[in-house]
Amino acid sequence: GAGVSQSPSNKVTEKGKDVELRCDPISGHTALYWYRQSLGQGLEFLIYFQGNSAPDKSGLPSDRFSAERTGGSVSTLTIQRTQQEDSAVYLCASSSGLAGVQETQYFGPGTRLLVL
Amino acid sequence: DAKTTQPPSMDCAEGRAANLPCNHSTISGNEYVYWYRQIHSQGPQYIIHGLKNNETNEMASLIITEDRKSSTLILPHATLRDTAVYYCIVRVWWAGANNLFFGTGTRLTVIP
Repeated sequence: GAGVSQSPSNKVTEKGKDVELRCDPISGHTALYWYRQSLGQGLEFLIYFQGNSAPDKSGLPSDRFSAERTGGSVSTLTIQRTQQEDSAVYLCASSSGLAGVQETQYFGPGTRLLVL
Repeated sequence: DAKTTQPPSMDCAEGRAANLPCNHSTISGNEYVYWYRQIHSQGPQYIIHGLKNNETNEMASLIITEDRKSSTLILPHATLRDTAVYYCIVRVWWAGANNLFFGTGTRLTVIP
């Protein structure tokens, strides 16, 4: 079956514009994560969705960042009023979300965001 | 989740074994050791994980010391395609806290 997909693969935008990044998790996976990776840095956790529970937003760096997961499947990460420091690769991952099972996260290819 | 320490970079000759160390001296008894890698321009890829016992799969072997304070990922016959950043992560699996905390990892360069 298909893995995690993300779109667009690359996005160039101007400072101050809003951007939306999309993630399609593996079918049947109830857990979905967003991370970002700045140049030369490790992965930074942003937000986590599990089923119908309220998302864990503890990693969002500012109120300009928000994410939705509609219908328990596709997720959209929105960055409002983008800043140059938002330039990074944004990675989405999903896992089965089954309680008691050792979870492995499967990552998408990422969206490379460049804010000019 | 416990923090991990990895060397920032390593080289390995093609065809030789690559041994990537990771220290996790504050690991708790219920934390697993996970290894991921990230090849340039791709998302991270799961490699292997373990709790106490050594593990082996088609990609690699994971050796965990008896006190569980360190581990080593072994790629038995490194190829040029194994050039990547390798992340060692330790974490508890709870239903409500699954996010992985990635450090900066070890950049492995396989040399022809």
